[in-house]
Amino acid sequence: EDKVVQSPLSLVVHEGDTVTLNCSYEVTNFRSLLWYKQEKKAPTFLFMLTSSGIEKKSGRLSSILDKKELFSILNITATQTGDSAVYLCAVALTFGTGTRLTIIP
Amino acid sequence: NAGVTQTPKFQVLKTGQSMTLQCAQDMNHEYMSWYRQDPGMGLRLIHYSVGAGITDQGEVPNGYNVSRSTTEDFPLRLLSAAPSQTSVYFCASSYSEGTLSYEQYFGPGTRLTVT
Repeated sequence: EDKVVQSPLSLVVHEGDTVTLNCSYEVTNFRSLLWYKQEKKAPTFLFMLTSSGIEKKSGRLSSILDKKELFSILNITATQTGDSAVYLCAVALTFGTGTRLTIIP
Repeated sequence: NAGVTQTPKFQVLKTGQSMTLQCAQDMNHEYMSWYRQDPGMGLRLIHYSVGAGITDQGEVPNGYNVSRSTTEDFPLRLLSAAPSQTSVYFCASSYSEGTLSYEQYFGPGTRLTVT
């Protein structure tokens, strides 16, 4: 059975801090790992990672994959209140439980 | 493009009733999926389809049926609703190349309450 584990489950930081969210996985046939952001509604796509060691970046968000150690991290620098959300990691169609990030002004 | 559409947005059922949640996409995606989301549980896969005429079970399929007669539509049927099926249901679709599927596009969700 495919398994995706995210940590921490929740995180509260002050605006301007940098955060790192973790995702580890055990799957039978890895093809890609995806990160999503979920505010009050449906998840929206952030990154798709298929190759080890190649960082994907979008503004203050970045993500990297380690296929040998079977994990990925999502970094958010200079956090803003708009970054408050649940961040979900998925491998194929299997999702982790998410990390709830709260940014305090 | 409307993307992924779901109806209804809200539904209240009594225990034992049946209903169908509708899902449609206009992006010609081969992959479609149904998830339920409960507090603290993330998204759990109910059923999925890799193309018209092909469906398979996910992690929590019991009590639900699906069919995929066209590329566009992927309805989810609740056979006999139970309070444990109270949840938010999301339908999603994605483009694929062989066995590699890309990011999923989600519908707005259906909030279902079973009393």
